Amino acid sequence: DIQMTQSPSFLSASVGDRVTINCKASQNINKYLNWYQQKLGEAPKRLIYNTNNLQTGIPSRFSGSGSGTDYTLTISSLQPEDFATYFCLQHNSFPNTFGAGTKLELK
Amino acid sequence: EVQLQESGPGLVKPSQSLSLTCSVTGYSITSNYWGWIRKFPGNKMEWMGYISYSGSTSYNPSLKSRISITRDTSKNQFFLQLNSVTTEDTATYYCARSDGGYLDAWGQGASVTVSS
Repeated sequence: DIQMTQSPSFLSASVGDRVTINCKASQNINKYLNWYQQKLGEAPKRLIYNTNNLQTGIPSRFSGSGSGTDYTLTISSLQPEDFATYFCLQHNSFPNTFGAGTKLELK
Repeated sequence: EVQLQESGPGLVKPSQSLSLTCSVTGYSITSNYWGWIRKFPGNKMEWMGYISYSGSTSYNPSLKSRISITRDTSKNQFFLQLNSVTTEDTATYYCARSDGGYLDAWGQGASVTVSS
C-alpha cells in the first residue's frame, strides 16, 4: 500500500495567515491527490481534487500543488471558518490511502 | 444536490456482523461509484471498498474476507456488511460518492463501537 505522510499534525495560526500543509507519498501517485476539510460532526468536504483542481464552491484562497510524491495545500489568507482538520487522499493506486490529518487551530 | 446518510446500530458485539446502510438522495446510485471509508479513534482513515454503477465491487485486500458491499437500486441505498468484528473495528463509518475526481460527496458518518 502507498503510505501518505502528512505534516504537520497540528498547526496554530491567525486569521490572515498563509499556511501550507504537506503530504508525501511513498511512491509516485501521478497527481491523483485530493484534499479535504472536516469540521467536528460534519461530513468531510472536498476542497481540491487531482492536485490542483478547486472544487466548485470552494473559495480561491485554497490551492493545491505538487507532483510525483510531494503535494501541498495552501490557504492564502486564513478566515475564521477555515479552522478545521485537513487530510489528503491518494487515489492513484488501490487501496486508496489517507494522510493522518492536520488540525488547524486558532493561535 | 446529492446527500448521503449512514444508518445502523451504534453497538455491535465482538464476533458478530456490522451492518450499515447508506441512503442517497438527489442522485441515482446507478451512476458513479459508491464507497465506504472508516475513521478510527486516533483519526487514521481507511478506504474499505466501493460498489460501482453496475454493481461490481472492489474491496481493500486487508478486509477482503470479511467485507461485502451490496445495493438496493429501488431504494437508492447501498450497504456495508463487515463480518467477525473485533474491538479494532470500532470506528466512524462514512459512505461517499466518487465522481471523476474521486470521493466528492460524503455522509456525516455513523459511529460504531464493538464491545461486549
